[in-house]
Order: sequence, then structure tokens, then C-alpha cells
Amino acid sequence: EAQVTQNPRYLITVTGKKLTVTCSQNMNHEYMSWYRQDPGLGLRQIYYSMNVEVTDKGDVPEGYKVSRKEKRNFPLILESPSPNQTSLYFCASSPTTTGSDSPLHFGNGTRLTVT
Amino acid sequence: DQQVKQNSPSLSVQEGRISILNCDYTNSMFDYFLWYKKYPAEGPTFLISISSIKDKNEDGRFTVFLNKSAKHLSLHIVPSQPGDSAVYFCAASEMEYGNKLVFGAGTILRVKS
Repeated sequence: EAQVTQNPRYLITVTGKKLTVTCSQNMNHEYMSWYRQDPGLGLRQIYYSMNVEVTDKGDVPEGYKVSRKEKRNFPLILESPSPNQTSLYFCASSPTTTGSDSPLHFGNGTRLTVT
Repeated sequence: DQQVKQNSPSLSVQEGRISILNCDYTNSMFDYFLWYKKYPAEGPTFLISISSIKDKNEDGRFTVFLNKSAKHLSLHIVPSQPGDSAVYFCAASEMEYGNKLVFGAGTILRVKS
């Protein structure tokens, strides 16, 4: 089954403790992206990657890192999480970087709470 | 400043009637628009899209209308079904920037049976 898989689904952590949220897609998609969803703000892009070893900042990159060493994986790293990073996170992928014929496929989300 | 706005946080509709979800945008460079649907505990799924060269796109019960002069688009669902109850996100992008989508805050649709 074609899918985007995120782990973990739920995570509670403390301020300053480094964490990684994994994302993997099995569709051989070139483009991958991370979003966070907050009430009243919709989904905001954190980072995106157009291909292996090519990453760039989205609209809200502060406090996050990503890497794209393999085509299928795009982990999101929080080096020193803070409470304002408490959010619902979504990983997404699409076949190419052109949006018209390749809409994003989303994972099921990771609910992160930082205390 | 939000470039894509969905001013109705929620909408309640009777089964069989029409649901109309609205979306406004401020960036005149946007030339591609999408609607995503999201169920609880799941990720958003693509529903329908429209490019700026069109003013209407239809897919079964779902129709999206685009009014470029008003910078407004709407999603019509006819007839509405209980399974349509979900959060609907409007999104926009510039073709040049591919999948850099800008999302609205979402509208919760409840279809009552």
C-alpha cells in the first residue's frame, strides 16, 4: 500500500531533550515536506526537500532540522525542544516538485507535547 | 499575516443539502488552488484542485469555483453525506514554487443525518 509513515504517533517530552520524528514514504517520491498544524493557523511548512541531499526552509523553520540522505526518508529533528513546539506534525510527499499534477500525500501525523 | 483565510471555523448542514465552504486569499501570485479533507487522527487527503486559468472544476459531488477578481474560491458538496463530516483545508500555491502550499486554518463540516 502506498503510504507516508510517521513515527511516533504521539510523543510527550521535556524541554531541551533532543528528539527525532521519522518519516518514510514507499512511493519513490522526489519531494518531501514537514508541516505543523496549530489551532487557527492551519498547516504551516517547516522544511521541504526536492530530492536527496537538497533541503530548504519553509515558513517556520526555527528550532528544527531535517536531513535527506535517502529518497524515502525525511526525519525531523528538534535539537532542543521548547513548549512552543507543542503541535501536530505532518510529513508529506509528492512525485515531483510541480504541484499541478502531483498533490501532496500526507502521513497520519505526530502529536508532540513539550513540557 | 495569513495569505489564505477560511473565515468560517465550522459549518453544519443537513444530509442531502448543499455544503458551501469558502476561502479567500490575498496573494495575487497564487495560481493553483486545492482543497484537502481531514478526518480525526488521519492526515489530510487531496480532494480537488483548480488552476487560475479556470473558474470551475467538478469531480462527482464536489465542485470548486474560483473568482480571481475577488480572490475567492469555494467548495460545493452536493448532496452532502454524513461521511463528508471532516475538516476541510483550502490551500494555494504559485506554480513556480511547486508544492510550497499555503494553507488556510480549516473549516469543520458537520453533516447531520
